[in-house]
Amino acid sequence: AQSVTQLGSHVSVSEGALVLLRCNYSSSVPPYLFWYVQYPNQGLQLLLKYTSAATLVKGINGFEAEFKKSETSFHLTKPSAHMSDAAEYFCAVTADYKLSFGAGTTVTVRA
Amino acid sequence: EAGVAQSPRYKIIEKRQSVAFWCNPISGHATLYWYQQILGQGPKLLIQFQNNGVVDDSQLPKDRFSAERLKGVDSTLKIQPAKLEDSAVYLCASSLLSGKGSYEQYFGPGTRLTVT
Repeated sequence: AQSVTQLGSHVSVSEGALVLLRCNYSSSVPPYLFWYVQYPNQGLQLLLKYTSAATLVKGINGFEAEFKKSETSFHLTKPSAHMSDAAEYFCAVTADYKLSFGAGTTVTVRA
Repeated sequence: EAGVAQSPRYKIIEKRQSVAFWCNPISGHATLYWYQQILGQGPKLLIQFQNNGVVDDSQLPKDRFSAERLKGVDSTLKIQPAKLEDSAVYLCASSLLSGKGSYEQYFGPGTRLTVT
């Protein structure tokens, strides 16, 4: 069985500030991990994925995430927030073929 | 490359009515998924097809939900009769193949269903 917990349903950051979204997972086997972004009235878009290669994964739009097995975490960061980063972000895990999503974190960016 | 297409984008129905959603995956993608996304929650897999066969429908409420993927391309998801708790966004996704998620899933824009 696998599951994901996203800490914080809402995050508010100032433009130019660090964005940090937290994700912890549980999995009985080595997992693959993903971060997706969802803009209003749109589907999900893949930001980045961890597939057991490098533990620091770089994605699109300046985002990156670090896989820490000892902490069972896969936190998403971006050094400098932009207004266009306002969206909902989902962490997901799979150990076989089925994706299990977290509840999501809504990011708002203050000017 | 054209993305995953879904229609309609929005649908409002009364409880006990029926509704159908359509999905056209990316050309060449063998695997197709239907997800239900309730407000404030992450997407939940309802059913997964590999070509025109069902791989996983363990979370599909089969007393009211049905889905098919004729000819291994387009897919329809039907709800009959609808309940208030079916109000959600229904997302369709496709991938080249399946297997430990290493194949990226591409999502359509979704159909927002409101049951009154």
